[in-house]
Parts: sequence; C-alpha cells; structure tokens
Amino acid sequence: AQKVTQAQTEISVVEKEDVTLDCVYETRDTTYYLFWYKQPPSGELVFLIRRNSFDEQNEISGRYSWNFQKSTSSFNFTITASQVVDSAVYFCALRLAGGTSYGKLTFGQGTILTVHP
Amino acid sequence: GAGVSQSPRYKVAKRGQDVALRCDPISGHVSLFWYQQALGQGPEFLTYFQNEAQLDKSGLPSDRFFAERPEGSVSTLKIQRTQQEDSAVYLCASTLPGLADILDTQYFGPGTRLTVL
Repeated sequence: AQKVTQAQTEISVVEKEDVTLDCVYETRDTTYYLFWYKQPPSGELVFLIRRNSFDEQNEISGRYSWNFQKSTSSFNFTITASQVVDSAVYFCALRLAGGTSYGKLTFGQGTILTVHP
Repeated sequence: GAGVSQSPRYKVAKRGQDVALRCDPISGHVSLFWYQQALGQGPEFLTYFQNEAQLDKSGLPSDRFFAERPEGSVSTLKIQRTQQEDSAVYLCASTLPGLADILDTQYFGPGTRLTVL
C-alpha cells in the first residue's frame, strides 16, 4: 500500500521568509503522480501542482517551486518570500497510474503553515 | 457551475439520524470521488464513480455509508444511523480522466462539515 508522510505538522514564519514543506512517499509502483494541494480556512482543496514519476525536472511557478527526487522518494515544496495569504494547510498526495486504484489520492496528514506579518 | 459544489455546507445531526450529502461535479466530468477528512487529518478515500457506476467503495467505513450517482452527474453520500465518529468534513472531487494526463487532476468542492451530537 502507498503512504505519504508530511513530518512537519506546523510551521510558523514571518512574512518574506522562505519556507520549505517536506513530503516523503512510499509506493512499489513505478508509475505514479504526485500532487500538492492548498487548503485555506474556507476548506476547499486548491490544486497547486501535479508531477508524474518519470519527470524529475524541478518546477517553478512564481514564488512556488517544487523539488522532486525519486532517489529519496521526496517531493518538497518551497514558497519564496512568503506572504500572509500563503497561510493554509498544505497537503501532499500520491496517485497510482493504473491497476485498481481508479485514481484515488492518498494524502499526507498536512502541514499547517502560518505566515505572520 | 464553474467548480464542484456541495450542499449543505454544514450539517448538525443527532446521533442515530440519517443524513444525505450532495455533490454537484464540474459539468461533463466523468469521474467522481468522495473523501472523508477528520479534524487535523488529510482526506481519506471513501468511494469512486465513473459515470453512474460505482467502481470502488473500498473506503466506506461501514455499511451505514452508502453513495449513489444514478444519472452520472449529481452524487449523494448517505449516512444512516449517524454516530459521533462520523463527524468530519466530507469532500467531493471530480475529474475527466482518460483523454490526457493533464486533465486527470481532481478538483475539489468546499466540503460538507458534519457534526454528530
């Protein structure tokens, strides 16, 4: 069975600091997808990024960047120059590509990020 | 609508009551997922529909939980004889799989927060 671990339960930073959220996953499958979602206080999960297991290229989108390292089964997320609006719970998730998983997501426990002004 | 909608947003039930939670997926989305999110935890998979067919219900915690999607669009998650441990946020997600990987991302609704007293 697959598993996603987000070891950081809570992180608190001051605005403009950089912050990295860690994600480690476990799966025996060779083809899978990794995701990051943001859950603001309103409760809705907002999709941020999707990576497939064959693409280890790091990605940057504005202040967000993701570091995928298959060798360490990690998919870390960095926010540069954090802002108060970044305060939310962030979830890392894994989806298998085939078999009988039907695309269901396995989530980590989430990291609560608080950015103070 | 533009996104996934769920109703009601909040539901308070007395222990033993039956509840019905509704999900309206994004128009045209074939696949629909239900997840349960306990306080302070990541979402956990409950069940999956492709059109009107329920292909995976392995995550339903007991036979008190029942989901349907009779016409392949709106879905209802029903919980019979609610118990306090059913208190959680119930999230619905939809996706349009199969055409291209880039489309196979789950988009979530705001959730229904169920409190069982």
